[in-house]
This record gives sequence, C-alpha cells and structure tokens, in this order.
Amino acid sequence: GIQVEQSPPDLILQEGANSTLRCNFSDSVNNLQWFHQNPWGQLINLFYIPSGTKQNGRLSATTVATERYSLLYISSSQTTDSGVYFCAVARYGGFKTIFGAGTRLFVKA
Amino acid sequence: DAGVIQSPRHEVTEMGQEVTLRCKPISGHDYLFWYRQTMMRGLELLIYFNNNVPIDDSGMPEDRFSAKMPNASFSTLKIQPSEPRDSAVYFCASSFSERLSTDTQYFGPGTRLTVL
Repeated sequence: GIQVEQSPPDLILQEGANSTLRCNFSDSVNNLQWFHQNPWGQLINLFYIPSGTKQNGRLSATTVATERYSLLYISSSQTTDSGVYFCAVARYGGFKTIFGAGTRLFVKA
Repeated sequence: DAGVIQSPRHEVTEMGQEVTLRCKPISGHDYLFWYRQTMMRGLELLIYFNNNVPIDDSGMPEDRFSAKMPNASFSTLKIQPSEPRDSAVYFCASSFSERLSTDTQYFGPGTRLTVL
C-alpha cells in the first residue's frame, strides 16, 4: 500500500520562530489533508491540498503532486501551535485514508 | 452545527465483554469513517461508509470487530469479545461527498477504550 513519511518526527521551537514540516508519499494521490491534533487529543483539519498552495493565517501548505510531497509552513509560532501534525492521503479511486506518523511540535514560551 | 458526536467518551471494560461505540455524523454528510489510534500503530482507518453502505472494511482487524450504519445519522462500532490489545482511542469522522474534492474530514472527539 501507499507509504506516508513525515519529517521531522519531533520539533521544538521558540515562540515566534518559523518552521516547515514535510510529508512524502509513495504513490499518486487524489486527496491530501493536513491535521493538527492538539494536546487534548482533538483532531482539527487544517488543509485539503492535493496540489497547489493554500494559506490560512499563519499557516500555509504546498503540495507538489508530481514529486509526491507536501509542505506545511508555520510562521510566527505560538504555544497554542503545540501538538502533533498529521498528513493523510488517499489514492485515486477511493477514500481509503492513510495517515503518516506525524510531527510532534512543542513551542516554548 | 454540533460537529461529529461520539459516545461514550471513555469506556473501561474487562476482557471478554462486548463494547459498542457510537457516532453521529454531521448532518448532511454522506461519508463516515472509523479510525483507531494507538501509540504503536498510529492512526488507522478501520472502515468507511458512503450513504450508509460499507465501502472498504479492509482495515477492520479481525472478526471480533463489526460496524453498522443503520441510517444517515448514526453508526456503531462493536467489539465482541474485547481484548486488552483493543485498548485505543477510536475516532469517527464524516465528510460531504460533493465537497470531498475540496473539503476534508471532520473528526469527533474520540472514545478512549481501555480493556482490562
């Protein structure tokens, strides 16, 4: 099946710093999502981005489908950005969603 | 909208007991997904439904697990008999197909299951 790899696995930032999270996938996909799991366990959708670039406030994401990777940018990080960021993909022809292992982010005040 | 609703939020049971987890998707959504999250295996899709019909159950770990969606506003995930290795957080998510190409899945708060 399709493989999803996220890097880095762990990231510690000082408040105000910027960061880039990466998601590589092993096959063509028609569905790519980024989620944030907060410290209370709630999964919150950030972006649906199978290709192209989107921005939402301090967050933006870019997916280069032909090269099979996606990037999530966090600018001016805040302590509330802490948690785990997941990339999830689904292949063409269905919606069987595969999650990566996540990037655990801790933002220090 | 209330979002995806799951119950119970926490369940502690003994090995061998039957466990039923419940999910109410967002009104109007026609896709429903059940996931399991563990430290060892991360987030795994167990099964998903479209218009109340199971589409892909290849992620269901074994015959002890079953899922139903009797109507558009309710789904259950049942484990019978439960085992300690079933301990995990179980998430339900829903989505709207006409927007699936531009939208995403909305997750419930999860049910934390502990099997002793």
